[in-house]
Amino acid sequence: NAGVTQTPKFQVLKTGQSMTLQCAQDMNHEYMSWYRQDPGMGLRLIHYSVGAGITDQGEVPNGYNVSRSTTEDFPLRLLSAAPSQTSVYFCASSRINYGYTFGSGTRLTVV
Amino acid sequence: GENVEQHPSTLSVQEGDSAVIKCTYSDSASNYFPWYKQELGKRPQLIIDIRSNVGEKKDQRIAVTLNKTAKHFSLHITETQPEDSAVYFCAATTTNFGNEKLTFGTGTRLTIIP
Repeated sequence: NAGVTQTPKFQVLKTGQSMTLQCAQDMNHEYMSWYRQDPGMGLRLIHYSVGAGITDQGEVPNGYNVSRSTTEDFPLRLLSAAPSQTSVYFCASSRINYGYTFGSGTRLTVV
Repeated sequence: GENVEQHPSTLSVQEGDSAVIKCTYSDSASNYFPWYKQELGKRPQLIIDIRSNVGEKKDQRIAVTLNKTAKHFSLHITETQPEDSAVYFCAATTTNFGNEKLTFGTGTRLTIIP
């Protein structure tokens, strides 16, 4: 039982590049979400999903896309990286209305 | 949407003393309130939670209280130890027709002074 697996752990991108952050969970959780964490800003919701085929926007969705084709996977795509997207990204999963299990995070730097 | 305010942003206490962190929320439909602890460079981890039909919950040295009327909830840590030093986040969850939204507070950096 791996929990929530997030890759990569570190990434450096050039402005304008695109990339996908991977997130997978093996707990059969319905709910998955992506957060970014910036100093002094806490955890801000980017996108979330309550099940396969269903996604919705969170607080800061601009510049990011998601899809949920399976229960297990919830990748986050950066379309055209900008320095403002430098952050630590966390994926999380849970049963509906239960506590989250977080992935180990991806530290992204956009130069 | 939901707005969660958390105070204080930083807190220092002597080892062995108690620490209290307070949060308020705005959406009366919120029904689940978890607390997370994040150590430096690590992922947030759930430490305790409370649902809207309960006023208090305790787990060893940590406890959470909820006042639905006033829309505030608090984390209490007793007999603090150096390993309690971390950032603590409160959160409020609203669930409507299977759709869930969780909003975090901005965090409290707790430092335990030996």
